[in-house]
Amino acid sequence: DTAVSQTPKYLVTQMGNDKSIKCEQNLGHDTMYWYKQDSKKFLKIMFSYNNKELIINETVPNRFSPKSPDKAHLNLHINSLELGDSAVYFCASSHLNKGHEQYFGPGTRLTVT
Amino acid sequence: GENVEQHPSTLSVQEGDSAVIKCTYSDSASNYFPWYKQELGKRPQLIIDIRSNVGEKKDQRIAVTLNKTAKHFSLHITETQPEDSAVYFCAANRLTDKLIFGTGTRLQVFP
Repeated sequence: DTAVSQTPKYLVTQMGNDKSIKCEQNLGHDTMYWYKQDSKKFLKIMFSYNNKELIINETVPNRFSPKSPDKAHLNLHINSLELGDSAVYFCASSHLNKGHEQYFGPGTRLTVT
Repeated sequence: GENVEQHPSTLSVQEGDSAVIKCTYSDSASNYFPWYKQELGKRPQLIIDIRSNVGEKKDQRIAVTLNKTAKHFSLHITETQPEDSAVYFCAANRLTDKLIFGTGTRLQVFP
């Protein structure tokens, strides 16, 4: 019954590694998002896809590459991880032109050592 | 682009008192203003939202007011309970644009 799910929930890795986070929504939404929440709890949008097309691409290092294989999935791949990438990453989804309520996934806590 | 300021950053109240969190936004074209609650270790969840054609909206103990002229909106929680303790985020956008979140308010309700 999970609306927006993410895997993994926790990710501990070393600097320089490459890692991926996966997100899936079963709400039939047409838009998905990636947010980064830092240690001060600031929620900042990184990317958004509408019907598999990139519509928002904030000032994010190009080590971060989102991929949307279909409307229900949005993955985030991070190359050459750095200490500053440590944060909680939230996936969210919404129906862009209907209500716009964003449903968040449970988050992935990424720790880079 | 849109900028959303939120105050206060922390708020402590006694159980049963009211709590008010205020936000201001910069883009006069913004027309959607949601509030999210994030409990410790959990995901942000929408608790109430308001659109620009409405000045006030209420849902049980929570209410939101919007002043479009002054470009500010507020969250009011009455009869606070310990389970209201969380971080609250305001946000603003035009309906087909990205949500810009405020910096969050950590609310603590003491029994």
